[in-house]
Formats: sequence, C-alpha cells, structure tokens
Amino acid sequence: AQSVTQPDIHITVSEGASLELRCNYSYGATPYLFWYVQSPGQGLQLLLKYFSGDTLVQGIKGFEAEFKRSQSSFNLRKPSVHWSDAAEYFCAVGAPSNTGKLIFGQGTTLQVKP
Amino acid sequence: EPEVTQTPSHQVTQMGQEVILRCVPISNHLYFYWYRQILGQKVEFLVSFYNNEISEKSEIFDDQFSVERPDGSNFTLKIRSTKLEDSAMYFCASSVAASGSYGGNNEQFFGPGTRLTVL
Repeated sequence: AQSVTQPDIHITVSEGASLELRCNYSYGATPYLFWYVQSPGQGLQLLLKYFSGDTLVQGIKGFEAEFKRSQSSFNLRKPSVHWSDAAEYFCAVGAPSNTGKLIFGQGTTLQVKP
Repeated sequence: EPEVTQTPSHQVTQMGQEVILRCVPISNHLYFYWYRQILGQKVEFLVSFYNNEISEKSEIFDDQFSVERPDGSNFTLKIRSTKLEDSAMYFCASSVAASGSYGGNNEQFFGPGTRLTVL
C-alpha cells in the first residue's frame, strides 16, 4: 500500500539557516510527489510537485525538493529560512490514477528562532 | 485570485445529529475532494468526485457519509449521524485535473477547512 513518512515531527531552525525536511514514500511505481504548507488557520498551499524529468524541482517561496528514486525520498530544502516560513509542512503522494487521491505524511512543524 | 471557500468555519453538533459541510470549489475545476485531519494526526483522504459521481472513496467514507454537488457551484459533505470520532478539521479541495494526470494542471487547491466538533 502507498504510504508517506515524514520522520521529523518538529524541527527548529534559526532564521537565515538552511532547512531540509525529510520525506520518504512507499509506492510500487514512480509516484507523483507534492509538498504542501499549512499556516495556522489556513488551508494547504502547494509548494512544489514532481511528476518526472528533472529530479530537482523548484517551488514557490524559495523552496526546492529533490526526488531520489534509490532512496524513495523527496526532501524539501530551503537555503535560508525566514521567520514567515514557520508552519506545518506536508509531503504527499498521488497515485497515477484518475481519481486524484493524495496520501499525506504526518507533517513536520517548523519553528523558526530569531 | 480564485480560491476554495468552506462554510461554516466551525460547526459544533451533538452526537447522532446530521451535519452538512459546504464548499464552493474554484469555478472551472472539475475534480472535487474531501479530506479530514483529526487533531494531531495526518491529513486523510475521504473521497474524490468527478462528473457527478464518486471516483474513489476511502474506508473511512462509510454509509454515514455522502457527497453531493447540488448545483453548479456547491460541493457538500453530509454526515448522517455524527460520532465523537468524527470530530476533525474537514478540508475541501478542487483541481482542474486529477493528480494522476501526467503534465496536467492537477494541483489541488484546498479550502481553509471546517472544524467539526461532536459533543
């Protein structure tokens, strides 16, 4: 069965420091991968997505993610974190079907220290 | 910028009561979804809806749940007889294409959610 694991429940980084949020997936074929961000009281906003091709994808707000098939990973990175990046981040996998179902990881809460 | 809206933002109900959660998807979108997030847990898929019928549902989506697109703009989730464990944040989402559509515009836009509290 498809699954997504985000090993880090909570991460704290200093403003200006680099960030990497981990995501591992379990899926038989090449998945469609997404990163969403959720600010308090808000819905989920798409940061970036991967379908195929270049394994390094760029997203909004200066985020990028790298798909590594050998490690079944799709880690999210940002070179310099801003205080406004504090939020909850969700990795998700979409099955290559026509139903649109997304399977989410548990989420990682990012706290940014001044 | 178009957005998905949901009403109400917070719904409190008694166990056994029926609730209807309402969503207005983005107008040119064709695929509609409901997800839920129990406090402290992951976001879970409930159902996807396309062309006026359910295209996939999870095992959570039992006979107590139903979805409807009563007109050209609204998309509703009904829970017939609420249970304590139905307390959660319910998110509606919509997309132009399904997530499996290669190269398609399949980003799912999420609403802000309805917090359902069952007492």
